[in-house]
Amino acid sequence: DAGVIQSPRHEVTEMGQEVTLRCKPISGHNSLFWYRQTMMRGLELLIYFNNNVPIDDSGMPEDRFSAKMPNASFSTLKIQPSEPRDSAVYFCASSWDRGRNQPQHFGDGTRLSIL
Amino acid sequence: QKEVEQNSGPLSVPEGAIASLNCTYSDRGSQSFFWYRQYSGKSPELIMSIYSNGDKEDGRFTAQLNKASQYVSLLIRDSQPSDSATYLCAVNGGEYGNKLVFGAGTILRVKS
Repeated sequence: DAGVIQSPRHEVTEMGQEVTLRCKPISGHNSLFWYRQTMMRGLELLIYFNNNVPIDDSGMPEDRFSAKMPNASFSTLKIQPSEPRDSAVYFCASSWDRGRNQPQHFGDGTRLSIL
Repeated sequence: QKEVEQNSGPLSVPEGAIASLNCTYSDRGSQSFFWYRQYSGKSPELIMSIYSNGDKEDGRFTAQLNKASQYVSLLIRDSQPSDSATYLCAVNGGEYGNKLVFGAGTILRVKS
């Protein structure tokens, strides 16, 4: 079975540009999570969706960050305008929420560098 | 106090030894506990999940949970150099709901 698929794997862009990260969750999973990982702050949850609905976006750092999940098989995380401090690895994860908390499965991540 | 605490390490063990990784958490209502392994430059990979008090074994890995002490551990028997990675403890349920709260991770180095 295909795992969580993220694109692009690497993104290098200049400050001020718009960045769009993409995620395809595991088929049949109904929860999707966006994380950011840096050496200083570790793994941070940015936002999560359940059945395509945003449930908790308290981790989104600023209004420059936005996320959408238009259907069960696709989500985007957008940064506009981007800043050098946004440089990090961004992970998408998905799980099947069926009462008892199920483990999350991670994609390979997008390594983002803002110059 | 951090919600999920781990010793950052590095924890160094010789090949063939038992590696013991520990984690404490603050929310008594937590229900689900996970250990992820993350190799440098890679994504976190689930290796163990545990939901009730006691031990759970899977191959060389044993997860131990003590809810009264708010403590979860991971034992790796017969450690191999390929086990060298960062091990992340993650907790959810209780006040966290469906969110996973991660510890900062423990770096494990297995020396041959």
